[in-house]
Amino acid sequence: AQTVTQSQPEMSVQEAETVTLSCTYDTSENNYYLFWYKQPPSRQMILVIRQEAYKQQNATENRFSVNFQKAAKSFSLKISDSQLGDTAMYFCLFQGGSEKLVFGKGTKLTVNP
Amino acid sequence: DAGITQSPRHKVTETGTPVTLRCHQTENHRYMYWYRQDPGHGLRLIHYSYGVKDTDKGEVSDGYSVSRSKTEDFLLTLESATSSQTSVYFCASRDRGHQPQHFGDGTRLSIL
Repeated sequence: AQTVTQSQPEMSVQEAETVTLSCTYDTSENNYYLFWYKQPPSRQMILVIRQEAYKQQNATENRFSVNFQKAAKSFSLKISDSQLGDTAMYFCLFQGGSEKLVFGKGTKLTVNP
Repeated sequence: DAGITQSPRHKVTETGTPVTLRCHQTENHRYMYWYRQDPGHGLRLIHYSYGVKDTDKGEVSDGYSVSRSKTEDFLLTLESATSSQTSVYFCASRDRGHQPQHFGDGTRLSIL
């Protein structure tokens, strides 16, 4: 069975600095998708970024980028120029074939002024 | 954002009563999902649907049933609620082709 591990339950960063959130997963599949979702205190689940496993190029979305290492089964999220509005829970999601959907337990990120 | 609404947003009920949560989407998405979110567990998949009348179990399906009679509606039913089903429930939907899921705002369900 697929598992997703977010090893950092909580992290903090100063405003304008860079922070990296880690995610590792276990799968025997070759084609799958990975996502990062953000959940602010409002409880909404907001898509941050996605990565297709067959693409070697790391995905980027403005201040958010990933470091996808397929062989190591690692999918970390880098947030540059952190802003107060980035304070949230961040969840890593693995999506495999036949709707195998597994979330990590989340990392609580606090951006300090 | 995809138009996904969940109802009710909050509900308090007693052990043993039936409960139905509704998810409605206006994007004509094929796939729909129900998750529960509990502290220390992240989100866990309860059931999902890949089309009208086509549903399947997720990781934590015991005690839950679902129905999808129309593309836009996905119902989650707790036939006889238990205190262990107190949780925040999220619905999500997505289009074909491994598109990302879009989530509703969640339903906080408390079973006393």
